[in-house]
Amino acid sequence: EVQMVESGGGLVQPGGSLRLSCVASGYNFNIYPMHWVRQVPGKGLEWVSRISDDGRSATYANFVKGRFTISRDNAKNTVDLQMNSLESEDTAVYYCTGDANSLGDAWGPGTTVTVSS
Amino acid sequence: DVVMTQSPLSLSVPLGQAASISCRSSQSLVHRTGNTFLNWFLQRPGQSPRRLIHLSFIRESGVPDRFSGSGSGSDFTLNISRVEAEDVGVYYCMQGTHWPPYTFGQGTKLDIK
Repeated sequence: EVQMVESGGGLVQPGGSLRLSCVASGYNFNIYPMHWVRQVPGKGLEWVSRISDDGRSATYANFVKGRFTISRDNAKNTVDLQMNSLESEDTAVYYCTGDANSLGDAWGPGTTVTVSS
Repeated sequence: DVVMTQSPLSLSVPLGQAASISCRSSQSLVHRTGNTFLNWFLQRPGQSPRRLIHLSFIRESGVPDRFSGSGSGSDFTLNISRVEAEDVGVYYCMQGTHWPPYTFGQGTKLDIK
């Protein structure tokens, strides 16, 4: 059974940092790109970032503006999202998801990030 | 960026009746490879999204055959032939042809009448 589990969310002040992590099991992790997608409570889904299967290529949504960095460790089946200079608008549930036949073949339960003073 | 527009934004359907959700993109989703990277997701209340359809018409393993995806170019449809109680939730279309960014529709909320 495929499982993805995110962790690292929490309450942080504006301007602060958080590092999210996602561990995958039962999944051919090292042959697929991975993504982070977020959802503001009560709102729709918003793509954040993608990393290639070998970790050499990363792409980001414009709103990231150089504040977030995605990385992966294929030996550990993990994908991380380092988030710096957090803003209130970054408050959301963050999901990691795979990319077999395009984005979204498997999803974790999400981790909640709250940016507030 | 490719804009994805869903309609309707909400849908109330009696059990056993059919439902249809439209998704239109601001440009064709046909990739240079010939594939059309259009996915459909269902997010049930309190749950993570689940992919129902990829490549515009291919049903995921375990998805009931009452769900079907159709369309081409920039005009797509998700059909549910006979709505069941477990189908309640928000449906999203998403394009993965012209990225970055990957873009989602606004969502269509389905409930039972």
